[in-house]
Amino acid sequence: NAGVTQTPKFQVLKTGQSMTLQCAQDMNHEYMSWYRQDPGMGLRLIHYSVGAGITDQGEVPNGYNVSRSTTEDFPLRLLSAAPSQTSVYFCASSYSKAYNEKLFFGSGTQLSVL
Amino acid sequence: AQKVTQAQTEISVVEKEDVTLDCVYETRDTTYYLFWYKQPPSGELVFLIRRNSFDEQNEISGRYSWNFQKSTSSFNFTITASQVVDSAVYFCALSEERSGGSNYKLTFGKGTLLTVNP
Repeated sequence: NAGVTQTPKFQVLKTGQSMTLQCAQDMNHEYMSWYRQDPGMGLRLIHYSVGAGITDQGEVPNGYNVSRSTTEDFPLRLLSAAPSQTSVYFCASSYSKAYNEKLFFGSGTQLSVL
Repeated sequence: AQKVTQAQTEISVVEKEDVTLDCVYETRDTTYYLFWYKQPPSGELVFLIRRNSFDEQNEISGRYSWNFQKSTSSFNFTITASQVVDSAVYFCALSEERSGGSNYKLTFGKGTLLTVNP
């Protein structure tokens, strides 16, 4: 089983560039989310989706867009990258949107914005 | 306000020592879930355990054990006879259901880096 697949694993951008981080899951999970991990900050929720066509903002949504056109895919778009967006990004999914569900994480994308 | 505190930023032990990772949480809800996740050097977070607020029974899984005490709002994690492969960052997390059940709020602690030296 592939689980949650994130691409790319590493990316370097220049300030102002745009890019999309890809996330796909093959477990037919209803809930998908994006987190960023920064040193000393733990994981912070950027955006999440409770099903195809439904997305909502998390704790730190500014500078990021998401869409959920299929159950499997949940891409994260950086419209105009800034150095403050240098971070490790994790996509996570769970079977349902219930609050007691455990999360399955992808392997992460390390992003540097110069 | 929902909050998770992992006061130990880094812990270093020698192999075979026992080690306890502390987790203290704050919530106004009576119904919530607590989680522990492990992030090994490879980077991917892995689920370890889930506990609901009505179940204070301690749990043991091999060398791992968890002590949940509502009276002190703590959900501590103990590794017995630690091994080098236990070296990782460990995150405690708190999940509360929001009104309407349409989504939930999941808050992670900042993590504890455990290094087990041979």
